[in-house]
Amino acid sequence: DAKTTQPNSMESNEEEPVHLPCNHSTISGTDYIHWYRQLPSQGPEYVIHGLTSNVNNRMASLAIAEDRKSSTLILHRATLRDAAVYYCILETDSWGKLQFGAGTQVVVTP
Amino acid sequence: DTEVTQTPKHLVMGMTNKKSLKCEQHMGHRAMYWYKQKAKKPPELMFVYSYEKLSINESVPSRFSPECPNSSLLNLHLHALQPEDSALYLCASSQADSYNSPLHFGNGTRLTVT
Repeated sequence: DAKTTQPNSMESNEEEPVHLPCNHSTISGTDYIHWYRQLPSQGPEYVIHGLTSNVNNRMASLAIAEDRKSSTLILHRATLRDAAVYYCILETDSWGKLQFGAGTQVVVTP
Repeated sequence: DTEVTQTPKHLVMGMTNKKSLKCEQHMGHRAMYWYKQKAKKPPELMFVYSYEKLSINESVPSRFSPECPNSSLLNLHLHALQPEDSALYLCASSQADSYNSPLHFGNGTRLTVT
């Protein structure tokens, strides 16, 4: 199965952008890249996903490298409510098999 | 509030007990999932149901028995658990057979096995 590598933690100031990197060097051509986040005492929450092109939604932007071996989740203006563990996940050729990696703990300071 | 409801929120059971975890969604999703999450670890996939049929079993011990009685309900029957099975059990749902369908998670059942 394709694996992802993320930094253990990142810190940001409130109101500033946050760029969360994810390496997935063994990605195959049909693997989707998903991002979820998990706030304390809650289940994971979908953030964004993409295949090849950059994607934007109301929560974040996803920038995918041209060779697809890495991607970056961008939170445009961090708020205290964005403090969570962010997971980068590859959905491989087995549909429904989303396997979470270790994730990045994002700390937002006022 | 989430659109996936899990009950109970907390459960304490002995190693000889039989209990069930329940999950319900009314979004018309035909895929449902069980994940297990230990403290400070990522969720681990256990089972996936698609159109009420078990499609993925991640080599989960038989003391965990999933059941999908209809498209809105998912149960996890527990029997003869061990203390190391204590964890947060998360249910999720999504559209079936679609790589573009996000998972919607409940907030989990926190299980303690004594």
